[in-house]
Amino acid sequence: DAKTTQPPSMDCAEGRAANLPCNHSTISGNEYVYWYRQIHSQGPQYIIHGLKNNETNEMASLIITEDRKSSTLILPHATLRDTAVYYCIVRAMEYGNKLVFGAGTILRVKS
Amino acid sequence: GAGVSQSPSNKVTEKGKDVELRCDPISGHTALYWYRQSLGQGLEFLIYFQGNSAPDKSGLPSDRFSAERTGGSVSTLTIQRTQQEDSAVYLCASSTFGGGAYEQYFGPGTRLTVT
Repeated sequence: DAKTTQPPSMDCAEGRAANLPCNHSTISGNEYVYWYRQIHSQGPQYIIHGLKNNETNEMASLIITEDRKSSTLILPHATLRDTAVYYCIVRAMEYGNKLVFGAGTILRVKS
Repeated sequence: GAGVSQSPSNKVTEKGKDVELRCDPISGHTALYWYRQSLGQGLEFLIYFQGNSAPDKSGLPSDRFSAERTGGSVSTLTIQRTQQEDSAVYLCASSTFGGGAYEQYFGPGTRLTVT
């Protein structure tokens, strides 16, 4: 799986958009970008995934650059409950493919 | 519906004892994974089960670790002769086949402390 690079931590004001960057310059053509988050003392939670088009769901939006070497997860209106570690993972969409977690980004949403 | 459940939520054991950790995946999910998260470290993959196929054991750290999945549902992770470095949160996840992102749904984890 391709390696990802994320900033170790970020702060965001409550109610504002949180933009979490991820670099994955060695991503292969068949690899997707996945985002998970882990709230303190809980298991990781799937957020969103994409291949090359921008994606949006009820939790977040994912913007992938045209060359696919980087992406940004956007939480449009961050709340205190969004404080968590956010993991960007790239992997092929193969059934059973394990997740390889990096250090992630600690997002602190502040009131 | 019910999510992935794990038991016990916390386990304290003495060094050298054996422990068993249980995972109940989401009903109908055919893939089951075990990960662990040590203090100050990231999540690391341990083992993966898919149906009747041979499990992928490539992440097990030593032969003291083993896991089984009975009837394609419940899974048990066993650690023999526990060591202090085995202290971690052990997480189980399951996923379903066909369509979608094959996203993995995680349980709350079992916090293992070896004294």
